[in-house]
Amino acid sequence: GEDVEQSLFLSVREGDSSVINCTYTDSSSTYLYWYKQEPGAGLQLLTYIFSNMDMKQDQRLTVLLNKKDKHLSLRIADTQTGDSAIYFCAETTAGNNRKLIWGLGTSLAVNP
Amino acid sequence: SAVISQKPSRDICQRGTSLTIQCQVDSQVTMMFWYRQQPGQSLTLIATANQGSEATYESGFVIDKFPISRPNLTFSTLTVSNMSPEDSSIYLCSVPGQGNYGYTFGSGTRLTVV
Repeated sequence: GEDVEQSLFLSVREGDSSVINCTYTDSSSTYLYWYKQEPGAGLQLLTYIFSNMDMKQDQRLTVLLNKKDKHLSLRIADTQTGDSAIYFCAETTAGNNRKLIWGLGTSLAVNP
Repeated sequence: SAVISQKPSRDICQRGTSLTIQCQVDSQVTMMFWYRQQPGQSLTLIATANQGSEATYESGFVIDKFPISRPNLTFSTLTVSNMSPEDSSIYLCSVPGQGNYGYTFGSGTRLTVV
């Protein structure tokens, strides 16, 4: 069945770039998302990319999609302590069902 | 995007009792999703709630344990019945965004069963 995998932990220094990686198995994925979850908070949509795109940039966030390898990454430039959170990769296909398939989340720790 | 008000934000419940979680959306939506997030885990879809029809449950979840109501296009409830400590989780509701541009989530209900 469909699967989304992420590395569980990432630690970076404040001011450095963070790169969070995700792989997925469903070749019919249409939309891919990055969500952020801060401690004790709900899920916040950070950014999304359509499967017909290779890259999307939104301020400090850059999303890269390699559809051939089914690999998605999220780069956060100039990482700040406020970026410490769990980042979830999720994908869905078009259609009436529109179920999201989620990764386990990457816990990002930003050290001063 | 839609704004979801989810209540309660947290609760501590005795085993064997039931808790009903409510989600109110500020716009009409056809589909609402209910998720469970167990400690340190990712999200697991419990069921999809459509207005006017019975909810569609995912494998491992049954209506007797997680009854869902969807009386109109802006409101839904999820009940966690006959609770045990294994039901301690965060429960979240979600609705699709406009044109598939992401999904909006409620702030979650942190449930602890003692």
